[in-house]
Amino acid sequence: AQTVTQSQPEMSVQEAETVTLSCTYDTSESDYYLFWYKQPPSRQMILVIRQEAYKQQNATENRFSVNFQKAAKSFSLKISDSQLGDAAMYFCASPHSGGGADGLTFGKGTHLIIQP
Amino acid sequence: DTEVTQTPKHLVMGMTNKKSLKCEQHMGHRAMYWYKQKAKKPPELMFVYSYEKLSINESVPSRFSPECPNSSLLNLHLHALQPEDSALYLCASSRTFISGANVLTFGAGSRLTVL
Repeated sequence: AQTVTQSQPEMSVQEAETVTLSCTYDTSESDYYLFWYKQPPSRQMILVIRQEAYKQQNATENRFSVNFQKAAKSFSLKISDSQLGDAAMYFCASPHSGGGADGLTFGKGTHLIIQP
Repeated sequence: DTEVTQTPKHLVMGMTNKKSLKCEQHMGHRAMYWYKQKAKKPPELMFVYSYEKLSINESVPSRFSPECPNSSLLNLHLHALQPEDSALYLCASSRTFISGANVLTFGAGSRLTVL
């Protein structure tokens, strides 16, 4: 199974500012995908962004972007212009067994607090 | 329809009860998953069904019994649970790309309390 490490249990940012959440992973696969999910207090896990490992270009979805460093096995999430609705737990994830319909393995999560 | 629907939202049961959690999706996904999430922890994979067949069982105790009657429905049968089984149970579904590109769509979860 893959391993995913998030070293920031909690982060706090002022509304409208930028915050970066860190994630490192370990895999023996040559091609793989990485994901960021958010889980607000409503409990539902929502996909934020995904990155395909063989693509050089970092993925971007509106205010969310990633900094993918394949050699360093690092996959950080940048949230620009933070909004109150961004407050949630953020989980970094990779495929559970490297591919196929095997589910995802999640990091321990980062609790993001948005200060008004 | 891009939803995964889980029922019930909340369930309280005694250790001798038998109950079931239900999950339904109509997105044509052929992979379905059960995850268990304890408070302030990440979701942990329990079971994976691919094309209605159990493909992964992450050493889950037999008091949890999954069932996939058809491609849209996934059940989790509960029997003789322990208080430590109290948790949020999340269902998810996805396509079945070999490449690992599968985006999981999650339901809102069933909050289980075992007394």
